Amino acid sequence: EPEVTQTPSHQVTQMGQEVILRCVPISNHLYFYWYRQILGQKVEFLVSFYNNEISEKSEIFDDQFSVERPDGSNFTLKIRSTKLEDSAMYFCASSPSLGEVNEQFFGPGTRLTVL
Amino acid sequence: KNEVEQSPQNLTAQEGEFITINCSYSVGISALHWLQQHPGGGIVSLFMLSSGKKKHGRLIATINIQEKHSSLHITASHPRDSAVYICAVLPMEYGNKLVFGAGTILRVKS
Repeated sequence: EPEVTQTPSHQVTQMGQEVILRCVPISNHLYFYWYRQILGQKVEFLVSFYNNEISEKSEIFDDQFSVERPDGSNFTLKIRSTKLEDSAMYFCASSPSLGEVNEQFFGPGTRLTVL
Repeated sequence: KNEVEQSPQNLTAQEGEFITINCSYSVGISALHWLQQHPGGGIVSLFMLSSGKKKHGRLIATINIQEKHSSLHITASHPRDSAVYICAVLPMEYGNKLVFGAGTILRVKS
């Protein structure tokens, strides 16, 4: 069964360093998302992406964040200069199209630890 | 303002019990997801529904759009059902971003 994959499963970095989190969405899906979950808190929406551009982003998604689909399969989230408060689980999701009947499928997550 | 409220926050059950987790939301939605999160952190989609009822194995999800309420039921619960169950809604006014509840921590004891 097709699934969303994410790498790495755990990333440890020093404050101020750049990190890139990688996702491979399900192959025929067109919409891609990043969510994050700070330990002990709710999952929060970061950004959605369609047709090679951001379609929606939250207040959390500031200039330190960027997303890219560098080739036909990968979808990346870059954090330019990590802060301690960026420590969280980051989930990628994809859906086949937009609309009320389209389920989002989640990846296993990347746990980011900023020291 | 919490757009999605779940109850209970924590639930401990004995193996075999019938379990109900509730979700209420305050905005108009186009769909609602029930998700399962295991201790390792990964999220699995259990159901997406916009009306009525869906069943998969021992899991049943219902939604009442007029009352803005959904329930997730687990019949004949088992220790392997122990996880966090999360309700997430797709508000009509927000495009395609999900808004999540805080989750219900379920522990099923043998």
